Amino acid sequence: EIVLTQSPATLSLSPGERATLSCRASQSVRSYLAWYQQKPGQAPRLLIYDTSNRATDIPARFSGSGSGTDFTLTISSLEPEDFAVYYCQQRSNWPYTFGQGTKLEI
Amino acid sequence: QVQLVESGGGLVKPGGSLRLSCAASGFTFSDYYMSWIRQAPRKGLEWVSYISHTGGTIYYADSVKGRFTISRDNAKNSLYLQMNSLRAEDTAVYYCARDLHGSSGYGDNWGQGTLVTVSS
Repeated sequence: EIVLTQSPATLSLSPGERATLSCRASQSVRSYLAWYQQKPGQAPRLLIYDTSNRATDIPARFSGSGSGTDFTLTISSLEPEDFAVYYCQQRSNWPYTFGQGTKLEI
Repeated sequence: QVQLVESGGGLVKPGGSLRLSCAASGFTFSDYYMSWIRQAPRKGLEWVSYISHTGGTIYYADSVKGRFTISRDNAKNSLYLQMNSLRAEDTAVYYCARDLHGSSGYGDNWGQGTLVTVSS
């Protein structure tokens, strides 16, 4: 099973700042990595798939990069609605797995 | 618009069974792979099971293999998860999710979830 490790566990920033979230895989997942956003009481929402492709209706301030084992989600300028938990997920091998999450807090 | 509505969750004793359902609308259900993904209270996400658009390809997480069965009825636009021999560690919110496209392995639309609690 591929283990995804996200860092940091918690990221404290202010609106307008740049956020950089990391996800490291225990083995190569090629480019098959996604990012999700989850707010309290809601289902996760797909933001980025295949490392760098934005899902439908996702604002351009969200971007993804990386390959192999190291990946990054960048939010260029934080909006108040961006404060949430973010998960990475790989689909390179079954079982598909998620990271443990990064909480982005104000 | 795409809508996924789960039902069937509840409180069940260890060793018991439940059947979850997911009613899909707003898209051609038979064109999409579907999944069940769960989230234990205040925990992360676990991909439980995955089924192809025809039902011919099915995957299970090791934690549920032999106890859970995923199925679908394309005529009824519905996805199911039969859960047997339930354990305390199966307590979670269970989400159904639609694949982004083909067999992408990404969930681009999720239901609101249904809570399963396994406790005596």
